Amino acid sequence: KQEVTQIPAALSVPEGENLVLNCSFTDSAIYNLQWFRQDPGKGLTSLLLIQSSQREQTSGRLNASLDKSSGRSTLYIAASQPGDSATYLCAVRLRNDYKLSFGAGTTVTVRA
Amino acid sequence: EAGVVQSPRYKIIEKKQPVAFWCNPISGHNTLYWYRQNLGQGPELLIRYENEEAVDDSQLPKDRFSAERLKGVDSTLKIQPAELGDSAVYLCASSLTSTLTNEQFFGPGTRLTVL
Repeated sequence: KQEVTQIPAALSVPEGENLVLNCSFTDSAIYNLQWFRQDPGKGLTSLLLIQSSQREQTSGRLNASLDKSSGRSTLYIAASQPGDSATYLCAVRLRNDYKLSFGAGTTVTVRA
Repeated sequence: EAGVVQSPRYKIIEKKQPVAFWCNPISGHNTLYWYRQNLGQGPELLIRYENEEAVDDSQLPKDRFSAERLKGVDSTLKIQPAELGDSAVYLCASSLTSTLTNEQFFGPGTRLTVL
């Protein structure tokens, strides 16, 4: 069974600081990995999707890297803003499976 | 283009009562998923549909949970009777299987509170 871990569980930073969120997974036979954002009481918004053949994906201030061999992904958010405050979840999809296995998330607070 | 639609957004019921959640996926998406998210945890898959067929319901507690996707579009998830431990957010997602990424798009969820 794929186990997905996100550390730390919570993070508080001052505005303008860069954010580094970590995700680790136990089974490296992945098809792709997604990073989601979840605001309180809301659903999941997809931020970035990295296919297993890719090393990283970028969108604006967001950059996600993938190292399958070590079972790790990192989400970088540059120059954080109070609007970045949310819970960030990573989810892994294995080959030959459609199910997403989620981590518990990292709750980020950006202080103005 | 409209996203995944879910209703109701919130539901409060007494234990042992029945409850139903409705999901309308993104138009044209043939795959539909129901996930359950407990407080402080990531979502976990309950059931996956390919068109109208439930192709993975291994995580669905079949003694009290049921689901249907008539005509391969909208879906309903039912709990009867509800228990205190069923309090959670129920998320619906959809995807287009024919795409390379098969990216899943999520609805806003239904927050269930069982008293």
